[in-house]
Amino acid sequence: QVQLQESGPGLVKPSETLSLNCSVSGGPIRGRYWHWIRQPPGKGLEWIGYVYYVGDTDSSPSLKSRLTLSVDTSKNQFSLKLTSVTAADTAVYYCARDTGDDGLDSWGPGILVSVSS
Amino acid sequence: DIQMTQSPSTLSASVGDRVTITCRASRSISSWLAWYQQKPGKAPKLLIHKASSLESGVPSRFRGSGSGTQFTLTISGLQPDDFATYYCQECNTYSFGQGTKLDIK
Repeated sequence: QVQLQESGPGLVKPSETLSLNCSVSGGPIRGRYWHWIRQPPGKGLEWIGYVYYVGDTDSSPSLKSRLTLSVDTSKNQFSLKLTSVTAADTAVYYCARDTGDDGLDSWGPGILVSVSS
Repeated sequence: DIQMTQSPSTLSASVGDRVTITCRASRSISSWLAWYQQKPGKAPKLLIHKASSLESGVPSRFRGSGSGTQFTLTISGLQPDDFATYYCQECNTYSFGQGTKLDIK
């Protein structure tokens, strides 16, 4: 059973860079697409982007200019960097695995990241 | 971008009821649609993929249908564990619907 775990700082200052890692255990990162999703407090889900195990990425047009997604197959983990954050980036950030056949079937528990001075 | 419009935003029902949630895509997505259940403080759980394929371990009272731009999630014989928030997601550009909160009447 694959397990995912997000890690990173829970507090980031405005205008700084939010950096998160997602560690994958119980299965290989190879051969799959890996996604990031966020959820502002009390609101709905927002898709951020994905990284394929060979490094190809795609992301939400609204975040693309500030976003970098990467993967490290040697560590079985993938990462997110979001620059120039504001309070609007405060959210629970989830990482998830693509089934490869439509849908995200394994999710991390999520990590709350607050943007505040 | 594909816009997903989900309705209703809230739904009140009783144990044993049958409920239907609708998701409409701004353009055809064939059958590339997934449904998730989310409980407070938890990550979403995949229920249905490819519009109508039940994920392993998900009770058969959950049924998904539709194709193109119109999709529905039907829950028959609501159980106490089913009261949660439900989201649809199209799997071309991965947009989510706004969510439907299903609560106890």
